Amino acid sequence: EVQLVESGGGLVQPGGSLRLSCAASGFTFSSYSMNWVRQAPGKGLEWVSYISSSSSTIYYADSVKGRFTISRDNAKNSLYLQMNSLRDEDTAVYYCARVNSGGLLTPWGQGTLVTVSS
Amino acid sequence: DIQMTQSPSTLSASVGDRVTITCRASQSISSWLAWYQQKPGKAPKLLIYKASSLESGVPSRFSGSGSGTEFTLTISSLQPDDFATYYCQQYNSILGTFGQGTKVEIK
Repeated sequence: EVQLVESGGGLVQPGGSLRLSCAASGFTFSSYSMNWVRQAPGKGLEWVSYISSSSSTIYYADSVKGRFTISRDNAKNSLYLQMNSLRDEDTAVYYCARVNSGGLLTPWGQGTLVTVSS
Repeated sequence: DIQMTQSPSTLSASVGDRVTITCRASQSISSWLAWYQQKPGKAPKLLIYKASSLESGVPSRFSGSGSGTEFTLTISSLQPDDFATYYCQQYNSILGTFGQGTKVEIK
């Protein structure tokens, strides 16, 4: 069964840092690009970052560029999101999602909640 | 960036109703349009891809249509399990922007 499990969320003060992880299983992780997508409480979905299978191509949303860093370790079947200089508006559930060959996001992990508050 | 606009934001309907949700792209995305269903506290689930192709395991009462900039998601006969929020997403570009969502509520 294809599975993605996020971890690392929690409460952090504004200006702080947090590292999210996404553990993949049930498929050949190194063959797939991956995304992070977030959802603020009661709001819609916002694409955050993309990384290709070999890490050669990386993109960020303007809202996180310069503060967040996406990375992956194919040997550990893991995806990461290093979040620095966190702001109140970064409060959200963060999902990792596999990118299929056509660009579709499926499946998604269950999400991990990041709360930025003093 | 490509902007996606969904309408309506909220839709009240009864079991058995035919429901239609519209999604418009700010520029042509050919048929690179997906629909996702999200229930409270859960991750989004892919329903339809390439505008009109049904994901495996998704009930046939769901259908999608459109191309270019105008797309629709139709539920032919609303079932209790279908009360949820629906999002469109363009994947014409890697920056896969989402619509703002349509919440389907019980009337």
